[in-house]
Amino acid sequence: LAKTTQPISMDSYEGQEVNITCSHNNIATNDYITWYQQFPSQGPRFIIQGYKTKVTNEVASLFIPADRKSSTLSLPRVSLSDTAVYYCLVDSGGYQKVTFGIGTKLQVIP
Amino acid sequence: DAGVIQSPRHEVTEMGQEVTLRCKPISGHDYLFWYRQTMMRGLELLIYFNNNVPIDDSGMPEDRFSAKMPNASFSTLKIQPSEPRDSAVYFCASSAEQGNGYTFGSGTRLTVV
Repeated sequence: LAKTTQPISMDSYEGQEVNITCSHNNIATNDYITWYQQFPSQGPRFIIQGYKTKVTNEVASLFIPADRKSSTLSLPRVSLSDTAVYYCLVDSGGYQKVTFGIGTKLQVIP
Repeated sequence: DAGVIQSPRHEVTEMGQEVTLRCKPISGHDYLFWYRQTMMRGLELLIYFNNNVPIDDSGMPEDRFSAKMPNASFSTLKIQPSEPRDSAVYFCASSAEQGNGYTFGSGTRLTVV
């Protein structure tokens, strides 16, 4: 089971690009990398998922290097509403336990 | 789709009482997960089901915790007897298939006094 490591907290000013990096040194061949966002008093919400290289959607981009031992979630031009906890997950599907851990608490400052 | 529905949203109970949390997954989702979230430990997986069958319950903290899924549209998490250290937010999530994203409910905030 691949373990993930990410910073506990980050601060950013409004309008800046935020990059949150997650380490997953023991990622397996079949593992996908998924990021979730959680606001207070809500459950986590799926943001983006990728396997390798780069994935982009309307919310974020996900960069995965060739060795896949890390990944970076990029949030373009953050606003105050992006203040949340962000979780990096590695999930190979099948009968694998997926753990969210503590996540990265992003605080966007005006 | 209404998403994953959990009830109640808030529960306050006295130590020693039985507590039952309920979850209705998204129709067609074959996987159902129960998570517990605390400040100290973050979001922890307690148990998950596939096609109504419990697959991994190794995260269930003790015998006081039990979970059932009698059909594809309903699951319960029961704590009996409850203790103050069980106070947390309990989330239910469902997924069409693993690796394909989880949809979470709004959670049940449990307070045991």
